[in-house]
Amino acid sequence: AQSVTQLGSHVSVSEGALVLLRCNYSSSVPPYLFWYVQYPNQGLQLLLKYTSAATLVKGINGFEAEFKKSETSFHLTKPSAHMSDAAEYFCAVRKNTGNQFYFGTGTSLTVIP
Amino acid sequence: EPEVTQTPSHQVTQMGQEVILRCVPISNHLYFYWYRQILGQKVEFLVSFYNNEISEKSEIFDDQFSVERPDGSNFTLKIRSTKLEDSAMYFCASWGWAETVNTEAFFGQGTRLTVV
Repeated sequence: AQSVTQLGSHVSVSEGALVLLRCNYSSSVPPYLFWYVQYPNQGLQLLLKYTSAATLVKGINGFEAEFKKSETSFHLTKPSAHMSDAAEYFCAVRKNTGNQFYFGTGTSLTVIP
Repeated sequence: EPEVTQTPSHQVTQMGQEVILRCVPISNHLYFYWYRQILGQKVEFLVSFYNNEISEKSEIFDDQFSVERPDGSNFTLKIRSTKLEDSAMYFCASWGWAETVNTEAFFGQGTRLTVV
């Protein structure tokens, strides 16, 4: 079965600092990979996705993620954190031959002023 | 921009009562899902639905749960006899157009179910 592992259930960064949220997937075949963001009391919003094109994917709000097959990773980064980035972030995977989306346990990002 | 809509946004029900959560997926999408998120916990898969039948379900989706697409537009989740532990945010999602299989799932804003 597909799975994703998000290291660190809580991450705190200072405003203006680098954001790094980790995601590793388990699959022998590179799947489709996604990062979703959930702001308080809201639904899941797509930040970015990897679909076997460019390995460095740019998303909304200045976020980007790099697909590294050798490390089976898809870490999410942002050069400079903003207070509005405080939210829950979920990594998700879908096998490229299937229709099931699997979510990681989520990482709660806190931005300290 | 197309979106998935869910109603109601918040539902309070008494333990043992039946509830129906409603979703209108994106038109022409092929796959439909229900997920739930208990407060402070991860997003958990409940069930996927394709071609008018369940294609996959998790162990959470027991006999108390059922899904239906009664009219080709709505997609509903029914919980027959609610329990306190059913209290959660329930998300509907849809995916995949007929002409080309789009890659990401689109989520609704969720229905917060509170069982008292």
